[in-house]
Amino acid sequence: GAVVSQHPSWVICKSGTSVKIECRSLDFQATTMFWYRQFPKQSLMLMATSNEGSKATYEQGVEKDKFLINHASLTLSTLTVTSAHPEDSSFYICSARNPLAGDEQYFGPGTRLTVT
Amino acid sequence: GQQLNQSPQSMFIQEGEDVSMNCTSSSIFNTWLWYKQDPGEGPVLLIALYKAGELTSNGRLTAQFGITRKDSFLNISASIPSDVGIYFCAGREDQAGTALIFGKGTTLSVSS
Repeated sequence: GAVVSQHPSWVICKSGTSVKIECRSLDFQATTMFWYRQFPKQSLMLMATSNEGSKATYEQGVEKDKFLINHASLTLSTLTVTSAHPEDSSFYICSARNPLAGDEQYFGPGTRLTVT
Repeated sequence: GQQLNQSPQSMFIQEGEDVSMNCTSSSIFNTWLWYKQDPGEGPVLLIALYKAGELTSNGRLTAQFGITRKDSFLNISASIPSDVGIYFCAGREDQAGTALIFGKGTTLSVSS
């Protein structure tokens, strides 16, 4: 149980284009999902908290117009990196709050984004 | 953002040895969690702790919630090669479901 998937697992895009990453909770409904980014050999940095049916809450320093988050259903949240630049290249990981497991966060496998 | 102080940063051990790592915080936490991350994967929850003084085991892993509520440790006994990875502690100041604060991770290498 407590499976969270992400798609795609990796993506290469050209500078200036937009990329959408999906995060799905497969066996539970998640009213809250979280988006993190992780640089090599570093810890996870919270970007935003995504609540189903409402606007996402962004952490300080994260541009909400650049990182668009949509949580349209209880099992799906999407992160769109708009007008991507090479400095956006990173490992993006989502997590979903599992109400069936003490509301703890279960993480997806991550998406490796490379912007050329 | 705020981070926990996790140590050691890395460890190189022989198969069969025991391992210990810990996290400290300047503020009181209500929850301590320990995750393991393999290369190119997302973190996997190992142990969750909810009460000060709580000691919880998961196979060869044992973790404790410090009585001051400002620290936690994780022990791995009789390490094996598949224990290799990055171990992260995470804490939460507020109620369940709110954002976690992560440590910087401990990279574990096990030689056979």
